[in-house]
Amino acid sequence: AQKVTQAQTEISVVEKEDVTLDCVYETRDTTYYLFWYKQPPSGELVFLIRRNSFDEQNEISGRYSWNFQKSTSSFNFTITASQVVDSAVYFCALNSGTYKYIFGTGTRLKVLA
Amino acid sequence: EAQVTQNPRYLITVTGKKLTVTCSQNMNHEYMSWYRQDPGLGLRQIYYSMNVEVTDKGDVPEGYKVSRKEKRNFPLILESPSPNQTSLYFCASSPRLAESNEQFFGPGTRLTVL
Repeated sequence: AQKVTQAQTEISVVEKEDVTLDCVYETRDTTYYLFWYKQPPSGELVFLIRRNSFDEQNEISGRYSWNFQKSTSSFNFTITASQVVDSAVYFCALNSGTYKYIFGTGTRLKVLA
Repeated sequence: EAQVTQNPRYLITVTGKKLTVTCSQNMNHEYMSWYRQDPGLGLRQIYYSMNVEVTDKGDVPEGYKVSRKEKRNFPLILESPSPNQTSLYFCASSPRLAESNEQFFGPGTRLTVL
């Protein structure tokens, strides 16, 4: 069975702090894709990153970075020097090359000024 | 502008009154999908469609129907809505799986069933 676990329901940080959002996944497939999406207070879902199972390189995009570790089945997301605009719900998702997508329950991030 | 549109954005209805939520994409995507979002449960896939006339169940299909008669449209049908279908619904589309499976989401439809 496939599963995505985001154990952190809600995180609060003060602006400029670094914060890491955890994502642990389960799948028996060797080919799969992992995603992060952002849902700001306005409600839309915004794609942040896709990573396939054969590419374990970490990725950095501005203040955002992602750490993919197959050994621990984790795909964690770090925001460096957080800002109030980062306040949102963040979803991790798994697709194993089939047509089904499995989302985690989301982590609500509150960045306080 | 490339986009996924949903209508209506907000709907309040009563138990048993059939309704349809429309979804349309203008990106010529083959793959389309419906999700519902509930507090504490994240997004759960209801139905998906790999192409015209090809649909399949997601994780929570009970109480819903879909059809894909045209590539651009993927309506979600609730034949007899019940209060437990009160939720925020998202439609999404994606190019062919082999090319890219990033999903583009519509703005959401907030449904309340009384």
